[in-house]
Amino acid sequence: EAGVTQFPSHSVIEKGQTVTLRCDPISGHDNLYWYRRVMGKEIKFLLHFVKESKQDESGMPNNRFLAERTGGTYSTLKVQPAELEDSGVYFCASSQEGQRNTEAFFGQGTRLTVV
Amino acid sequence: DAKTTQPPSMDCAEGRAANLPCNHSTISGNEYVYWYRQIHSQGPQYIIHGLKNNETNEMASLIITEDRKSSTLILPHATLRDTAVYYCIVTEGWWGNEKLTFGTGTRLTIIP
Repeated sequence: EAGVTQFPSHSVIEKGQTVTLRCDPISGHDNLYWYRRVMGKEIKFLLHFVKESKQDESGMPNNRFLAERTGGTYSTLKVQPAELEDSGVYFCASSQEGQRNTEAFFGQGTRLTVV
Repeated sequence: DAKTTQPPSMDCAEGRAANLPCNHSTISGNEYVYWYRQIHSQGPQYIIHGLKNNETNEMASLIITEDRKSSTLILPHATLRDTAVYYCIVTEGWWGNEKLTFGTGTRLTIIP
């Protein structure tokens, strides 16, 4: 069974450009999460989808970040326009809905560098 | 969610048991203790979780004190591949709010 996959694995863009990160959760997982680690900081929660609905987006840093999950399958996280402080590693995770206290499966992350 | 306190780093000899402590003195009755680890440049990996009873799986054992204010993750026979940052996370984990709050974790280094 395929795990959580993220694309691209690395992205280098210039300040002001737009980047879109993609996450494919494990098949059948209704919960999808985005996290990120910026340089020297802890891994921080960004948002949580249940199917196609945003359950919790309290961690989204500002309105330059837009997450979508059309159809409740894969998700995209768009950063527009990118700023230098957006550099870091973005992780996606998924888990099964309807089961309390299940584990979250993480992808390998997308390393974003804004120059 | 309750906060956790972990030592910043630990060393352990290869083949020995690695015991990683975690304090969570403000844990509430419905909060679980989770352990994840992050091996260099990979995504976090689930290890084990528990509520109040000790737990064991193929990766590790989790010992939770009776008052639930602290716990210990035990890797019974550490290998070089266990070198990673280990995160102790306390969360309610109820449906619809299962976000994980990562702290700074413990950097475990397995010494050959």
